[in-house]
Amino acid sequence: DGGITQSPKYLFRKEGQNVTLSCEQNLNHDAMYWYRQDPGQGLRLIYYSQIVNDFQKGDIAEGYSVSREKKESFPLTVTSAQKNPTAFYLCASSIDIQAEGNRVGYTFGSGTRLTVV
Amino acid sequence: GDSVTQMEGPVTLSEEAFLTINCTYTATGYPSLFWYVQYPGEGLQLLLKATKADDKGSNKGFEATYRKETTSFHLEKGSVQVSDSAVYFCALSEGYNFNKFYFGSGTKLNVKP
Repeated sequence: DGGITQSPKYLFRKEGQNVTLSCEQNLNHDAMYWYRQDPGQGLRLIYYSQIVNDFQKGDIAEGYSVSREKKESFPLTVTSAQKNPTAFYLCASSIDIQAEGNRVGYTFGSGTRLTVV
Repeated sequence: GDSVTQMEGPVTLSEEAFLTINCTYTATGYPSLFWYVQYPGEGLQLLLKATKADDKGSNKGFEATYRKETTSFHLEKGSVQVSDSAVYFCALSEGYNFNKFYFGSGTKLNVKP
């Protein structure tokens, strides 16, 4: 079955350390997204990518970086510049950036919970 | 700008009670509207959607009608079960520029046996 795989499910980061969260999809979706979710809050967009080798900042991109070298993969790096990285991170994808995508909706991964220790 | 407003939770109901979770939106164009559900420790799953005014989305006993005149997309279920306990997110997508979704803050539903 097709879907989105996020790994690891739980991740612990030490102060000053960079960590990378994996997101892989086999849905042949064009667009991919990273969201951050804090307890009791909604989702905030970090980065998104419409096509391979291109990505755009979302609402809270500071302290994060991404790459999109393959259509299937959209890893997120949480850098040491991100002062409050403890959160639940969700990756999503959609079939097309234009009209079809906005009618079909997103497919989400199961998330990675990042904790600073 | 575009936005989604949901009723604050948590909402606590007894099994077999009627559920309504209110959702209103602000949008400049003709958005598609969605409800997503998140079970503890999991990602979001699409529950239902509606792509134009007066459309009714439905799935697993849940329903929501796209009301353009009241800019609303309230989620309803006639008889909730304990297994419906989760966080529900209302969302909209404009899609005219890029496929950006605007999510509400989520409403936690607790169903007691």
